[in-house]
Amino acid sequence: SQKIEQNSEALNIQEGKTATLTCNYTNYSPAYLQWYRQDPGRGPVFLLLIRENEKEKRKERLKVTFDTTLKQSLFHITASQPADSATYLCALDHSGGGADGLTFGKGTHLIIQP
Amino acid sequence: GAGVSQSPRYKVAKRGQDVALRCDPISGHVSLFWYQQALGQGPEFLTYFQNEAQLDKSGLPSDRFFAERPEGSVSTLKIQRTQQEDSAVYLCASSLEVGDEKLFFGSGTQLSVL
Repeated sequence: SQKIEQNSEALNIQEGKTATLTCNYTNYSPAYLQWYRQDPGRGPVFLLLIRENEKEKRKERLKVTFDTTLKQSLFHITASQPADSATYLCALDHSGGGADGLTFGKGTHLIIQP
Repeated sequence: GAGVSQSPRYKVAKRGQDVALRCDPISGHVSLFWYQQALGQGPEFLTYFQNEAQLDKSGLPSDRFFAERPEGSVSTLKIQRTQQEDSAVYLCASSLEVGDEKLFFGSGTQLSVL
């Protein structure tokens, strides 16, 4: 069956360091992969999308890589700040076309310590 | 409105009661999704609308769950004869057009069934 795995434990990172979060998947051939941020009591907020033919995507302090051979995406936050503390969700498209929605991982709780 | 709006924000129901959860998507957004998020888990897909048509309801956990979007804008998720296992946050998301992969989420309705 299809499965998405993210770091199940909370990730503690010192302020200023780079935080790296992992998303592994099995039995998928996604056309793209997305990362969302979720704060307590709020809905997820879109951060980045990377397509299957892209190796890397950047946005300000964020970088995402996508290795379809390893079936893995890495999400990096450079120069991390306490305000980056949140749960980060990896999501893959259901069907390859995007119209049927996304399947989410459980998320990784990131804590940036001052 | 500026974002996806959901109401009520919190709902407490006695087991066996029927509940109705409302979602106001971003104006003009064609696609609308409902997700269920249990504590400590990622959102799980329930159902998808394209305008007023419900194109995928494969994620609805039982026939007690029913969703509608009669005029292609506001949507209602109804749960009949609620059970304790229905306790979760119900998230609504919309996207501008079919195939637009980026989802905009509301803050959700937290349902507690006692």
